[in-house]
Amino acid sequence: ETGVTQTPRHLVMGMTNKKSLKCEQHLGHNAMYWYKQSAKKPLELMFVYSLEERVENNSVPSRFSPECPNSSHLFLHLHTLQPEDSALYLCASSQGGVDEKLFFGSGTQLSVL
Amino acid sequence: RKEVEQDPGPFNVPEGATVAFNCTYSNSASQSFFWYRQDCRKEPKLLMSVYSSGNEDGRFTAQLNRASQYISLLIRDSKLSDSATYLCVVNSNQAGTALIFGKGTTLSVSS
Repeated sequence: ETGVTQTPRHLVMGMTNKKSLKCEQHLGHNAMYWYKQSAKKPLELMFVYSLEERVENNSVPSRFSPECPNSSHLFLHLHTLQPEDSALYLCASSQGGVDEKLFFGSGTQLSVL
Repeated sequence: RKEVEQDPGPFNVPEGATVAFNCTYSNSASQSFFWYRQDCRKEPKLLMSVYSSGNEDGRFTAQLNRASQYISLLIRDSKLSDSATYLCVVNSNQAGTALIFGKGTTLSVSS
């Protein structure tokens, strides 16, 4: 157990559905992240929150909407996704600072039909 | 040049072998470096940080060459349980808010 919990583990949704991914960290960390991992591609950073404020958004389409209500919780709201959005979505947290050591959740395997 | 580039895999080695992975990075201002391990269908987990002086953790040795912008990971006496994908990770800016991952190198250790 890394102290970062993600739900659901698997999600299948249609292109017109709206769903949310949830992440919770129990490590007392200050920063939380959403990463996307597609087959044969490196992990792609989507969003970074530090002390509940978004500090980085790597030009992610607006159909992905993050929410960070407090330093322990992070959501990724999904709507009108495309089949190419099917991937493993990983949440991570870190204490913060230059020496970032990321602790990942188990991920949500998302399939968009 | 890609931000973080790793050896193409897969590496197939017998138990007991020594294997080395290489990684190059493009941003000379990068401050911190890591190796992560990812098992099939699992999340990445930190294996070790990489320091300028080099560091060792049991059978694993990591080295950094800032002049050549090059990182390496050496695994001695490979075990079956070392089979995984090894990800080279580089911090891309001084604010420390963006770690860039390589595609990973897959290692398969066989008996």
